[in-house]
Amino acid sequence: KNQVEQSPQSLIILEGKNCTLQCNYTVSPFSNLRWYKQDTGRGPVSLTIMTFSENTKSNGRYTATLDADTKQSSLHITASQLSDSASYICVVSRNTGTASKLTFGTGTRLQVTL
Amino acid sequence: SAVISQKPSRDICQRGTSLTIQCQVDSQVTMMFWYRQQPGQSLTLIATANQGSEATYESGFVIDKFPISRPNLTFSTLTVSNMSPEDSSIYLCSVVKYKGSNEQFFGPGTRLTVL
Repeated sequence: KNQVEQSPQSLIILEGKNCTLQCNYTVSPFSNLRWYKQDTGRGPVSLTIMTFSENTKSNGRYTATLDADTKQSSLHITASQLSDSASYICVVSRNTGTASKLTFGTGTRLQVTL
Repeated sequence: SAVISQKPSRDICQRGTSLTIQCQVDSQVTMMFWYRQQPGQSLTLIATANQGSEATYESGFVIDKFPISRPNLTFSTLTVSNMSPEDSSIYLCSVVKYKGSNEQFFGPGTRLTVL
């Protein structure tokens, strides 16, 4: 079964600290993996997209890693800011031959506090 | 990128009524999708909106309950029919601009509460 599991479910950190969010998937055949940030009451916004051959991709203070062998990804946030408070969703795309299908994780809810 | 707007942004509706949600994109896009995000859950694809033809529905979703229109390359509507409290959710429009693109953009969502 195609599944995406994220951990932790929620996380509270102090402003300025780093954190790492985890994503494990069983989606096959793998096409790409995406991390989205979803602010409360808003739609998801793409942070990174990684294909099979990419191990690391950065977007500012966000760095995503991908291990296609173990089917794991992580999102590392450096020097967190209050504005990083949001849900972070891991999404894995698979090719079905005629189209791409996305499988969404349930997200990690991050709260950055003073 | 793509700028996507949805109307209404939120609504509170009575059981048994229907609500039509509009999705407008600032440029022509190849593909448009409708998702549902129930409280505390991940996004679930309802259907792919096809221009000029019937939408393609995912397992568990039917046209009678969620009729969809897509009259052109920038606009789509989703109707939630004969609503029940179980339909309370956030409904999101999503687009892919170019064929073969990996980028998928999401609208701000419509928060629906059914009493």
